[in-house]
Amino acid sequence: EIQLTQSPSSLSASVGDRVTITCRASQGISNYLAWYQQKPGKVPKLLIYGASILQSGVPSRFSGSGSATDFTLTVSGLQPDDIATYYCQKYNSAPWTFGPGTKVELK
Amino acid sequence: EVQLVESGGGLVQPGRSLRLSCTASGFTFANFAMHWVRQAPGKGLEWVAFIKSETYGGTTEYAASVKGRFTISRDDSKGIAYLQMNSLQSEDTAVYSCARGSGIYRAPIDYWGQGTLVTVSS
Repeated sequence: EIQLTQSPSSLSASVGDRVTITCRASQGISNYLAWYQQKPGKVPKLLIYGASILQSGVPSRFSGSGSATDFTLTVSGLQPDDIATYYCQKYNSAPWTFGPGTKVELK
Repeated sequence: EVQLVESGGGLVQPGRSLRLSCTASGFTFANFAMHWVRQAPGKGLEWVAFIKSETYGGTTEYAASVKGRFTISRDDSKGIAYLQMNSLQSEDTAVYSCARGSGIYRAPIDYWGQGTLVTVSS
């Protein structure tokens, strides 16, 4: 069973900072990776799919890259509204495993 | 507007059963796969189960942690997905959300319900 790890588990950044979150798969998953944002008390929101395709309506400061086993979510210019926990998820085959999450806080 | 509304959660004793329902609206239910995802209090997201549309055979998949105890099903004529949960354990305590797969199989989740809380305790 393929496992996903995320790093860091949490980070503190200032408004305007460039933030990078990494997701690593224990085996190759091609580009079948999605990124979700979850704010406290809210449902997750799809940000990126296909490792790098921006979901409709998502601000362009979010971007994704990578393939096979190593993936990155970047926020170019952190905004107060971006404070949330971010999860990666593989969807190449069952199980549709989520990463453990990265909590982003304001410094 | 896509809406997913879960129901059926509550307090249940260990070893007992519970059936959750997810009523969908705002899209052609039969054209989409459905998932159940859970989130224990203060914890991360855990994928639970998947079902293809009946049009594509209704194939199901389960997380190892629930396989053999949980059963996902759907009624495309009513636009409802179900999660039958048997032999519940304290570790199953979580908010359970239904979610829409954006495609037939290899597709991310694009819409989520608000969830229903399941508490397993004596």
